[in-house]
Order: sequence, then structure tokens, then C-alpha cells
Amino acid sequence: QVQLVESGGGVVQPERSLRLSCAASGFTFSSYGMHWVRQAPGKGLEWLTLISYDGSVKYYADSVKGRFTISRDNSQNTLYLQMNSLRPEDTAVYYCAKVRNGRELLDPFDHWGQGTLVTVSS
Amino acid sequence: DIVMTQSPDSLAVSLGERATINCKSSQSVLNSSNNKKYLAWYQQKPGQPPKLLIYWASTRESGVPDRFSGSGSGTDFTLTISSLQSEDVAVYYCHQYYRVPGTFGQGTKVEIK
Repeated sequence: QVQLVESGGGVVQPERSLRLSCAASGFTFSSYGMHWVRQAPGKGLEWLTLISYDGSVKYYADSVKGRFTISRDNSQNTLYLQMNSLRPEDTAVYYCAKVRNGRELLDPFDHWGQGTLVTVSS
Repeated sequence: DIVMTQSPDSLAVSLGERATINCKSSQSVLNSSNNKKYLAWYQQKPGQPPKLLIYWASTRESGVPDRFSGSGSGTDFTLTISSLQSEDVAVYYCHQYYRVPGTFGQGTKVEIK
């Protein structure tokens, strides 16, 4: 079955960096676009970024553009989110999500990881 | 960006009764070239990630009970739970995936009356 397992969260000081990972299994990772979505404590869902199945296309939300970088290693079935210049408002649970139809960038998310909590605080 | 607005923010429904959640998009999410509405609904229970219920506005995801249904036009959409069960207590989100950035509604909390 499809599994997405995020890791790398934790407590970090403002302006520092953190890299999140999302280990995928149970499907052909290299055939699917992937997204990161976050949820601040007690708040709603915020889409952050997407990457195409082959890594050639990437998009970012304005709130993270220039600070966050999405990447993937299809040989390792792993998705990454490099987060730089972190701010207190980046505090959230970060989810990776798989699109339903592999080659589509704009598609619903049929599987989500359990999430990893990032807390930005001095 | 396409703004998604859900109503109500919360609702309490008796067991076995109908629950209706509305979602309005600031722009049409209908792709006229394929006649598909790029609108999904998710259910999120406390401490869990969201779960896909409905996509293309009205297509039920595999394994989702048929008491969940979706409908709507290019800008106005509805999620209906025909007979509320205790396990349906959750927050429900609509999501447009027609344009980048994908955007979500603010969520609607469904409780038992």
C-alpha cells in the first residue's frame, strides 16, 4: 500500500534552516507529481509547492518563494523540502502529498503523509 | 489566486440527518476544454492528515461511503453527507486544483447535535 513518511521536523530558531524528507513506498514514485502542504496549529491547510514526476517543473506559493526549495531523488524514492530563513509564522505540521494521476501537476491529493511538526522559535 | 470560501464554518447535525457544506470559488474552476471541474473535498479528523473524499467535484474516491456526494457548477459547490454517522465528525475542506497555487477553503467543522 502507498506510504508517505515525513521526517526532519523539530524546533529551530528564526533565520535558521531545516530540511524535510518524505520517504515514499508502495507506488512508482518516479511516475507521480508530489506536493508539500502545511497546517499551522489549529488552522487550515496551506499549499506550499509542487514538483513534477521528473523534477523538471516546480511551483511555489508566494509565502515561501525564495526561501523554500522542493526537490526529489527518484532513485531513493524521496521528496525533500529545504527550508531556509525560517520565520515563526512557518510553524506548522508539514505534509507531503501524492497526486492521484501521476503525470498531472494539477490533480487532487489521494495520499498524504502523517506530517512532521516544525516549530520556529527562539 | 483563487479564493475558496466555505460555509458554514461549523455545523451540528443529528445522527442520521443530512449535512450540507458549501464552497464558493472566486473564479470558475471549470476547464471548458475537458469539461472537468477541478474541485476536491477532503475530510480531516483530529491528529490525522486529510483524506480525499471527492474529486472532479462529484467523483467519489474509492472506498468512500456513498453517503458522501459532491455537486456544483463552475464556482459553487456542495458536499453532502446524506445520513450523518458518528465517524463523520471531522473538519471538511474544499480544494481547487485548477490553478497554481492550489487553494483550500478555511474548513467546516461537522459535529453531532
